[in-house]
Amino acid sequence: RKEVEQDPGPFNVPEGATVAFNCTYSNSASQSFFWYRQDCRKEPKLLMSVYSSGNEDGRFTAQLNRASQYISLLIRDSKLSDSATYLCVVRRMDSSYKLIFGSGTRLLVRP
Amino acid sequence: EPEVTQTPSHQVTQMGQEVILRCVPISNHLYFYWYRQILGQKVEFLVSFYNNEISEKSEIFDDQFSVERPDGSNFTLKIRSTKLEDSAMYFCASSEESGTGPYTFGSGTRLTVV
Repeated sequence: RKEVEQDPGPFNVPEGATVAFNCTYSNSASQSFFWYRQDCRKEPKLLMSVYSSGNEDGRFTAQLNRASQYISLLIRDSKLSDSATYLCVVRRMDSSYKLIFGSGTRLLVRP
Repeated sequence: EPEVTQTPSHQVTQMGQEVILRCVPISNHLYFYWYRQILGQKVEFLVSFYNNEISEKSEIFDDQFSVERPDGSNFTLKIRSTKLEDSAMYFCASSEESGTGPYTFGSGTRLTVV
């Protein structure tokens, strides 16, 4: 079983739509959670950290359910510029603090 | 905003040749990482480096790979004898002293082995 699993998509939505991505993780020792955004052939860029209480940053809302080992990202009022791959990422608090990446969910926002 | 700088942006090499990928992490960061991403696949952890030594390495990071911080600013990844399957984007990253903050990734080096 993959440590971080995501629906690969693509999600094809019109501008202005609300879209939600889900992610599950298998290692209960995972301690920190993030959503990264990756544009084609570019580096991953941090979109937002995910906190247990849920957090919002403008049009983006992230939720964490530790009991279900489930993370979500909601994007409201989608823009063309939101088209990218969204990576669910977890970190275990072991000696290296390495990040474990999901395979990503591709979002296409059409005019 | 501080950046992680990687050079070169693209390297083409013949199979069996040695390559060195270079990274300059953010100056006050103490944790350094290399990740790779084969085209169409997920980002994979290679190695982490802290206090001038490897703190963890993945199964991918075999004897053909090595890392070094030769001068206190550069962080290099060496592949001794490249294989076709080493073709990928290689990303360097660094994080702050606690290791718990978000990473900053460099823009990557695209390695093509022919």
